[in-house]
Amino acid sequence: TQLLEQSPQFLSIQEGENLTVYCNSSSVFSSLQWYRQEPGEGPVLLVTVVTGGEVKKLKRLTFQFGDARKDSSLHITAAQPGDTGLYLCAGFTGTASKLTFGTGTRLQVTL
Amino acid sequence: DARVTQTPRHKVTEMGQEVTMRCQPILGHNTVFWYRQTMMQGLELLAYFRNRAPLDDSGMPKDRFSAEMPDATLATLKIQPSEPRDSAVYFCASGFGQGTEAFFGQGTRLTVV
Repeated sequence: TQLLEQSPQFLSIQEGENLTVYCNSSSVFSSLQWYRQEPGEGPVLLVTVVTGGEVKKLKRLTFQFGDARKDSSLHITAAQPGDTGLYLCAGFTGTASKLTFGTGTRLQVTL
Repeated sequence: DARVTQTPRHKVTEMGQEVTMRCQPILGHNTVFWYRQTMMQGLELLAYFRNRAPLDDSGMPKDRFSAEMPDATLATLKIQPSEPRDSAVYFCASGFGQGTEAFFGQGTRLTVV
């Protein structure tokens, strides 16, 4: 059972477009992370959000943690081909170190 | 350059054979995760350890999978006997747990024929 559902599953856009990826759950997370994975590699951390309502920006990427700490979004402004990859949200539950990943969003940005 | 090292990178084996995958976590990290990734199921948590003690292995098929940490520098994931449905990429990750970054290895691509 996947605790974290991401949408959309696949996204193909042109360079310069904006996009938003959503990560939703019925569970409350103590913190939530976003990772990006490229072919043949393991996921690499982009950001960690901890406080409900928190917004973090990383260049053209904006991450938001829902007020109830059950959902999150990733917004990319003016997407570039280098943004292509698999985007994964992941949540820590309770006081334990258990890190569960979402279903993933595969993004392709073309010229 | 600290990184998580997984061996082997690729493994092809016949159904029924034993498979052992190894992981060297980053020195000093106290939490180690094992994940399995497939197109259908995504990245599934199989087991994780803190300070070498197993905390949760509920994601693992108990009858054929086992995970251990013989010492702080080595984590192993064993499948015996292997089945074609075990074909996947297996990732090891290490970190300091709650709220901190999980550093991933490059994975072991397992094919069971």
